[in-house]
Amino acid sequence: DVKVTQSSRYLVKRTGEKVFLECVQDMDHENMFWYRQDPGLGLRLIYFSYDVKMKEKGDIPEGYSVSREKKERFSLILESASTNQTSMYLCASSFQGSIYNEQFFGPGTRLTVL
Amino acid sequence: AQSVTQLGSHVSVSEGALVLLRCNYSSSVPPYLFWYVQYPNQGLQLLLKYTSAATLVKGINGFEAEFKKSETSFHLTKPSAHMSDAAEYFCAVNGWRGSQGNLIFGKGTKLSVKP
Repeated sequence: DVKVTQSSRYLVKRTGEKVFLECVQDMDHENMFWYRQDPGLGLRLIYFSYDVKMKEKGDIPEGYSVSREKKERFSLILESASTNQTSMYLCASSFQGSIYNEQFFGPGTRLTVL
Repeated sequence: AQSVTQLGSHVSVSEGALVLLRCNYSSSVPPYLFWYVQYPNQGLQLLLKYTSAATLVKGINGFEAEFKKSETSFHLTKPSAHMSDAAEYFCAVNGWRGSQGNLIFGKGTKLSVKP
């Protein structure tokens, strides 16, 4: 059974803190993605990676950075958390050789910044 | 460029009634289309996908969707709603970012089921 796991389901942080969200997949997928989800706005792509140490900006990269040191792990970093980064964060992965680009999602991390 | 439009951010049906969630797509190439479901405080789970093998696609939990090229639509249906179907549903089409494959998602439709 394919699996994408995220380090926390719920997280509460204070403004200005550095926040790490971790995502691990066990499917040997090349591509990994970070989205944020807000009511009425759907899924918005923050960053994605198609190989180890490679990263590409998505639609809303400001205030975020990412790290991919190993194929199975993709980390999202909030350098200095702000209240407007309170959101649901979803990680996904996909097989690069697939023509369908189907993505597999983790359970999500609901982050609250106070 | 690829895009997806989901008509109706909220849909409410009675238990036992027909569920119809609308999705229209725009694609410059033959599309692959997906429906995902998200239950409260969970990630997205694949319901079904269209990969050009058959225009009527059956998915999990009794859902199905029909690909209509002439209407550029991929609407999701279920003959009889169940309380457990209450969730948010996302339509997606395959796309590209540079040379890398990606999915383009609609904004989602929240389905409520009344007893």
